[in-house]
Amino acid sequence: SAVISQKPSRDICQRGTSLTIQCQVDSQVTMMFWYRQQPGQSLTLIATANQGSEATYESGFVIDKFPISRPNLTFSTLTVSNMSPEDSSIYLCSVASGSTEAFFGQGTRLTVV
Amino acid sequence: KQEVTQIPAALSVPEGENLVLNCSFTDSAIYNLQWFRQDPGKGLTSLLLIQSSQREQTSGRLNASLDKSSGRSTLYIAASQPGDSATYLCAAPREGGQNFVFGPGTRLSVLP
Repeated sequence: SAVISQKPSRDICQRGTSLTIQCQVDSQVTMMFWYRQQPGQSLTLIATANQGSEATYESGFVIDKFPISRPNLTFSTLTVSNMSPEDSSIYLCSVASGSTEAFFGQGTRLTVV
Repeated sequence: KQEVTQIPAALSVPEGENLVLNCSFTDSAIYNLQWFRQDPGKGLTSLLLIQSSQREQTSGRLNASLDKSSGRSTLYIAASQPGDSATYLCAAPREGGQNFVFGPGTRLSVLP
């Protein structure tokens, strides 16, 4: 299994500002994933964070809005840039183990005012 | 393209009842399927992972089954308790990847 620590757990931010979310895993993993869960909705994949190369973004998500870093095999950050109230969501970091079981952090609950 | 649906969207039952949550997926070429629990405003807790070679998996009062041919999975909760109240999410792998497509979830309320 994998233990994922995600920080901050929640934040309230002013529109137009940026927030960086950190994700730390207790073991080395090849791929880390960032998901967004809008209020009342299910999870949507934002991007795959690859170590040593640029992140791979899903349709509807762009690097300028959601820049991702992956400096090593245990750590990644997601930045939500130039925030608007529509960015209010829970953001979740995830990894897959060798058996392809997925594990999630506790999420970051973001409110943009 | 993998799509996942879940029924019912919401369920309210008295304590002690046995219940079944349903999940359907469109791409049956999956190598596993996973069930999660999510408490309000929180992250996801993995409940059960079923490999494609398995037909079911059990953990305590939870039992999950998988029928790849019909594109269905069920989560059975025995003797439900108020502490089981949460949203239950089903997730199937995306084609060719290690990430998942999630269903919309079933919001369960178990009344004391």
